[in-house]
Formats: sequence, C-alpha cells, structure tokens
Amino acid sequence: EVQLVESGGALVQPGGSLRLSCAASGFTFSNYSMNWVRQAPGKGLEWVSYISGRSSSIYYADSVTGRFTISRDNAKTSLYLQMNSLRDEDTAVYYCARRVRGTYSYYFDYWGQGTLVTVSS
Amino acid sequence: NFMLTQPHSVSESPGKTVTISCTGSSGSIASNYVQWYQQRPGSAPTTVIYENNQRPSGVPDRFSGSIDSSSKSASLTISGLKTEDEADYYCQSYDSTNLWVFGGGTKLTVL
Repeated sequence: EVQLVESGGALVQPGGSLRLSCAASGFTFSNYSMNWVRQAPGKGLEWVSYISGRSSSIYYADSVTGRFTISRDNAKTSLYLQMNSLRDEDTAVYYCARRVRGTYSYYFDYWGQGTLVTVSS
Repeated sequence: NFMLTQPHSVSESPGKTVTISCTGSSGSIASNYVQWYQQRPGSAPTTVIYENNQRPSGVPDRFSGSIDSSSKSASLTISGLKTEDEADYYCQSYDSTNLWVFGGGTKLTVL
C-alpha cells in the first residue's frame, strides 16, 4: 500500500525557517518524481515544487523560488522541503504528492494527509 | 500566467447530474491534458479524472471528463449524484512557468 506521511509543520515567526519531511512507503521511491502542493486555510490548491526521481530536475513555483529548496533521500525514501524567509502567505497545509505517468501525460496519484505550517508573530 | 477558472459552487439533488466547468485563461485548454481532483472535508485530494477523460481504477463510471476546445474549457460531469460526492473539486493543467496549475476549486453540495 502506498503511503505518504508528512511531518515537520509548526508555528514559526515571519522570516523564520522550517524543514518539512515526507516519508514514503509501499513503492519504489526512486522511480517516481515527487511534488509539494500547499493549501492555505479555506483556499485552493497551489503547486509548490517538483523533484525528479534522481534529483536531476527541480522546479519551483514563482511564489517560493529563492526561498524554498526541495530535496530527497532515496535511501531513506524521504522527500524534504526546506523553507526559509517564511512569510504570512506561506501559511498552509503542505502535501507531498507522487507524480505518475498516464498514457500521454502525468498526474498526481497519491497524496499524503498534509502538515500544517503557520507563519505568524 | 495561465489560469484556470471554476465556478465557486454548484448544488444538485441526489440522483441528478451535475457538470463543473474549468476555463483556461488563454490559448487552448486542449493543448494540455486536464486532471480533476476530489477533496472531501478534512481529507487529502484524490484523483477522479486524468488526461481529460480517464478514470483511475476504483473511480466509478458516474464520473466523466471532457474537453471543449472551442470554448477553451474542460468539464467534469457526475451522474447519479450521491451524498458522498459532496466535496471540493479542482481541475489541474499545465503552464510554461509554474508547471502545474490548479483551478480555484468548486464546492459541490448534494442536497
């Protein structure tokens, strides 16, 4: 059974840092690209970052470029998101999501339950 | 930047059919595939449609997706509505800059 379990969410002051983790199990982690997607309270989904299976390709949303860093440890089957210079608008539930290939394209097939990051003084 | 616009909310009675639209801001929505995700209250999203009209295993055939390239929109149709279908639904496609783009979400009420 595929499982994605996020952790590391907390209350942090503006300008602070936080590192999120996503522990994966039930599949060959290194074979899959992974993503972080966030959801501000009462708002919609926003894609944050992508990393390929061997970390050769990494992308960020404009809103987090230069402040967030995605990484993974395939030996530990874990995904990370280092968040620096946090702002109020980064307050959200952060989900890790597995990307899978369909017939012609890609989509997110499994999501974790999310971890809440609150940025407030 | 490319944006996807959805109605804020829709409502329909059990047993009826409802359609949720997703309109692209520019170009043709048909140039990239569209996915639909269901998010029940307090839960993570799950995929109900991928590649415009494909259902993952386990998703009932009451869920269907389509593209109208002339109107630059995608649609999710749910027939035979059940109370368990009450959720937020998000469309998702692609953008050259922010890669994965989500619509703002549509709250479906089954009453």
